[in-house]
Amino acid sequence: DVKVTQSSRYLVKRTGEKVFLECVQDMDHENMFWYRQDPGLGLRLIYFSYDVKMKEKGDIPEGYSVSREKKERFSLILESASTNQTSMYLCASSFPSSRGIYEQYFGPGTRLTVT
Amino acid sequence: GQQLNQSPQSMFIQEGEDVSMNCTSSSIFNTWLWYKQDPGEGPVLLIALYKAGELTSNGRLTAQFGITRKDSFLNISASIPSDVGIYFCAGQLAPYPGNTPLVFGKGTRLSVIA
Repeated sequence: DVKVTQSSRYLVKRTGEKVFLECVQDMDHENMFWYRQDPGLGLRLIYFSYDVKMKEKGDIPEGYSVSREKKERFSLILESASTNQTSMYLCASSFPSSRGIYEQYFGPGTRLTVT
Repeated sequence: GQQLNQSPQSMFIQEGEDVSMNCTSSSIFNTWLWYKQDPGEGPVLLIALYKAGELTSNGRLTAQFGITRKDSFLNISASIPSDVGIYFCAGQLAPYPGNTPLVFGKGTRLSVIA
């Protein structure tokens, strides 16, 4: 089974703090993704990465950065947390299935509250 | 970014009823995937569809990749309380490579009344 884990299920931080959200996958997947999920807005892509030390901006990268120093780990960084970054954060990874199509698998999510 | 039109937004059904939901787009997709998200959890992949016209089942779930490659539907037969959750469709937009990010629908929230 594919396993994507996230470092925390729940996190409470103060405005202005630097926040690290960690994601690890155990299947040697090349591609990793960070989304945020808010009611009525669905899943919105923040950043993604095709390989170690590579990163690409998604639809809403402002206020976030990422780091991928090892293939299995993809970190999302909130440089200075703000209340509008209170959200559910979901990490995902993908690989080509036996039929050659990329299937994406999600972690359990981190519910971040910024006060 | 681009989004898929997923409908209905929410459904309230009686236990035992069948459910149908769909996703449409003006763009062509190479792949369609359906996910289910339980409250407080990450989405779980239910079914992946790889070619136009494909019909695939997973237990009580059946999904189809539309012939035009612009739509997909998911059916759930004989619903049970544990079917409660949010169902998302997602697609791989043609002609982009398979590892480019998926496009997601906004989800269908399913509630089952026992």
